[in-house]
This record gives sequence, C-alpha cells and structure tokens, in this order.
Amino acid sequence: EDKVVQSPLSLVVHEGDTVTLNCSYEVTNFRSLLWYKQEKKAPTFLFMLTSSGIEKKSGRLSSILDKKELFSILNITATQTGDSAVYLCAGGKAAGNKLTFGGGTRVLVKP
Amino acid sequence: DAMVIQNPRYQVTQFGKPVTLSCSQTLNHNVMYWYQQKSSQAPKLLFHYYDKDFNNEADTPDNFQSRRPNTSFCFLDIRSPGLGDAAMYLCATSRGLAGDEQFFGPGTRLTVL
Repeated sequence: EDKVVQSPLSLVVHEGDTVTLNCSYEVTNFRSLLWYKQEKKAPTFLFMLTSSGIEKKSGRLSSILDKKELFSILNITATQTGDSAVYLCAGGKAAGNKLTFGGGTRVLVKP
Repeated sequence: DAMVIQNPRYQVTQFGKPVTLSCSQTLNHNVMYWYQQKSSQAPKLLFHYYDKDFNNEADTPDNFQSRRPNTSFCFLDIRSPGLGDAAMYLCATSRGLAGDEQFFGPGTRLTVL
C-alpha cells in the first residue's frame, strides 16, 4: 500500500524565521511529488516535482525531491503570518490518476 | 477564469436524509475526483471519473454514489447520511496525465444533525 508521511505534525515559528517541512514517500511506480497549501478552504497547488535534485522556487517557497532517498522538503524563508496553513504533500504514480496524500504539517507563524 | 465550483458551500442535512453535492468545472479536464476530508486529516479519495469511466475506491462505503452526466459536472450523492459522514467534501479535477496536479474546488462542508 502506498504511503506518504510528513513531519513534523505541526510547528510554531515567528515572522522572519525559515521553516523546513519534510515528506517521505513509498509509492509504487512513482512519478511525481506534489505540495499543496491548505488554509481554511481547499488545497491550493504549490509545486510538482518529478526530477531528483532540481529545486523548484516560487518567491519565498522552494522545494526539492530526492528520488534515491524517497523524500522531499519544502522550505519557506522569511515567513509571514500569511504562510500559516496546513501544508500537504502527495505522491503521484506513473500510471493512473490518483494521488496519495500525507497527513499534513500545520504551520503557525506568529507576528 | 477557469475554475472548479462547488455548490452549496455549506450543507446541513438530517440523519438518514439523502443529500446531493455538486461540482462543476470550466477547465475542460478529463478527470474529476471526490474527496472526503475530516478535521485535521488528509483528504481521502472516495472515487474519480476519467471521462465517463467510474473508479471507486475499495473502502468507499456503498452509501456514497456519484454521477457525471457530462464533462463539466459531477455529483456526489450520500444516500443515508450518518453522523460520521459530517466532513468537508472536496471536488478536484486534473487533465488526466498520470501523476498530474489536481485542482481543487472550495469544498462543501456537510453537517449531519
């Protein structure tokens, strides 16, 4: 059975801090690792990674995938209160359309 | 703007009273998904349609049914809601490429009294 595990479960930081979120996966016939941000509504797409070692960046957010060690990290630099959310990662397969979601990491950024 | 729309945003029903949630999309995506998400949990896939092909998850209760009358619309029917079915129901779409990103609607929060 496919499995995606995120750590930590939650963390509290202050504005300006850097956070690193971890996602490890066991997905048969793996193709992609996706990151979503979920505030009090539906998840919004952040990144999709398919190649190992290539960093994707969007503003203060960046992510990288290690297909050998089966994990990904999401970094948020210079955090702001608007970064407070649950961050979900999900594994996608090379066949079929399903994603396997991890349990999420809840990030709270205090002023 | 291309988007995924869910109606209603909030639904209150009574124990055992059938309810239908709707989802529409203007993205012209091939695949539509229904997820159930309970508080502090990851979204749980109930089923998905690839075009007209229905794909049910093995652990989705028979109480949950779905219809996709055309490319744009998909419905979730809960035949006899129980208290345990209270949750956020998320509709998502994707183009249909394997492992592709999914685009989520705003969700319908279901309360069962």
